[in-house]
Amino acid sequence: QMTQSPSSLSASVGDRVTITCRASQSISTYVNWYQHKPGKAPRLLINAASTLQSGVPSRFRGSRSGTDFTLTISSLQPEDFATYYCQQSYNNPYTFGQGTKLEIK
Amino acid sequence: EVQLVESGGGLVQPGGSLRLSCEVSGFTFTKHWMTWVRQAPGKGLEWVANIKQDGTEKWYVDSAKGRFTISRDNAKNSLYLQMISLRVEDTAVYYCARDLGESGDFGMDVWGQGTTVTVSS
Repeated sequence: QMTQSPSSLSASVGDRVTITCRASQSISTYVNWYQHKPGKAPRLLINAASTLQSGVPSRFRGSRSGTDFTLTISSLQPEDFATYYCQQSYNNPYTFGQGTKLEIK
Repeated sequence: EVQLVESGGGLVQPGGSLRLSCEVSGFTFTKHWMTWVRQAPGKGLEWVANIKQDGTEKWYVDSAKGRFTISRDNAKNSLYLQMISLRVEDTAVYYCARDLGESGDFGMDVWGQGTTVTVSS
């Protein structure tokens, strides 16, 4: 079980935002983060809690503290407005968090 | 080019059946777990099922157990999702995705464009 917060977030270009997922049990670093835009396929941004995928800008960062996992986007860009999901891949079924919709303020 | 192409979606009545296909190209299919993920209208992503490289291990979300069957044909580089006893709540865009890692536990790095399933009378 992954509890993601907030469910929505309004921010401006240039802002720093943080999205959090809390696991219901210890899951080591088996957390992945995705970006999803309407009408497009989801995009893997970060896996293993903090490994940035090839081609993903360095303003995206993933971190872990115990069972809390955080996606931080420093200096938001217009193309970052989307919905973000965490996912645990420690135990099948590999569940997603509820999603965070990031909107322009 | 690495590519996943889904097909088989459509309109079906409640209680009906549908078989989704996902044809892959550009990578060694037999090296990867594969997954189906769906998104219902206005809802978030939902992991549906995954399958091991050789097809010997399969996992399902509770709502799919007993109704959906994931399978693969490695000779045809294809992934399938057989769905029976469909419900209105199965209406969604269905994506197939490639899993990373030998055990498929490092996320899904390549996705298809999705195929739409509508369950309605």
